[in-house]
Amino acid sequence: GNSVTQMEGPVTLSEEAFLTINCTYTATGYPSLFWYVQYPGEGLQLLLKATKADDKGSNKGFEATYRKETTSFHLEKGSVQVSDSAVYFCALTPPGGGNKLTFGTGTQLKVEL
Amino acid sequence: DAGVTQSPTHLIKTRGQQVTLRCSPKSGHDTVSWYQQALGQGPQFIFQYYEEEERQRGNFPDRFSGHQFPNYSSELNVNALLLGDSALYLCASSLTMLVKGETQYFGPGTRLLVL
Repeated sequence: GNSVTQMEGPVTLSEEAFLTINCTYTATGYPSLFWYVQYPGEGLQLLLKATKADDKGSNKGFEATYRKETTSFHLEKGSVQVSDSAVYFCALTPPGGGNKLTFGTGTQLKVEL
Repeated sequence: DAGVTQSPTHLIKTRGQQVTLRCSPKSGHDTVSWYQQALGQGPQFIFQYYEEEERQRGNFPDRFSGHQFPNYSSELNVNALLLGDSALYLCASSLTMLVKGETQYFGPGTRLLVL
């Protein structure tokens, strides 16, 4: 079946540091890939997505590139802020439609001054 | 434009009881999905409704059931509650289930505690 593997957290960074959160997936064909963010006490918000190989999703300074050859969708940001502290989830939906999301376990990011 | 709304925000029940959670999708969205998020875990897919029918189901027992109404709102029912049902229950809506990669928008969730 489909699955998503994320790097374990928590990840602790200083403000303005470079961020990478690794995400790899297992799926047949070409799934759609997503990053969602969850702030404390809230639901999930879509951060970015990519629906085909080599697509780059970007939003609010975050970027991720759909790499079919390495089955990866790593999240990056050049300079994190304290306000980026949250839990980040990598997820996929299968290529056949239906849009059932399969999530990774989440990576907690803490950004300190 | 209101986003996805859920009610109630919090709920406390005892083992064996039944619970009903409610969700209103974003305006114009016809597909509603439900997810269970245990503490410290990623959300797990429960089921998805489109055109008032359950279209997909995750690995959850029959104690979990749902309904979608003609106005696209949805309910999640859980019978014979177990302690392990304590979780955040998230509702998500999308414009359609028919388009690959369609974005799902999540509500704030209902936090259920079973004692």
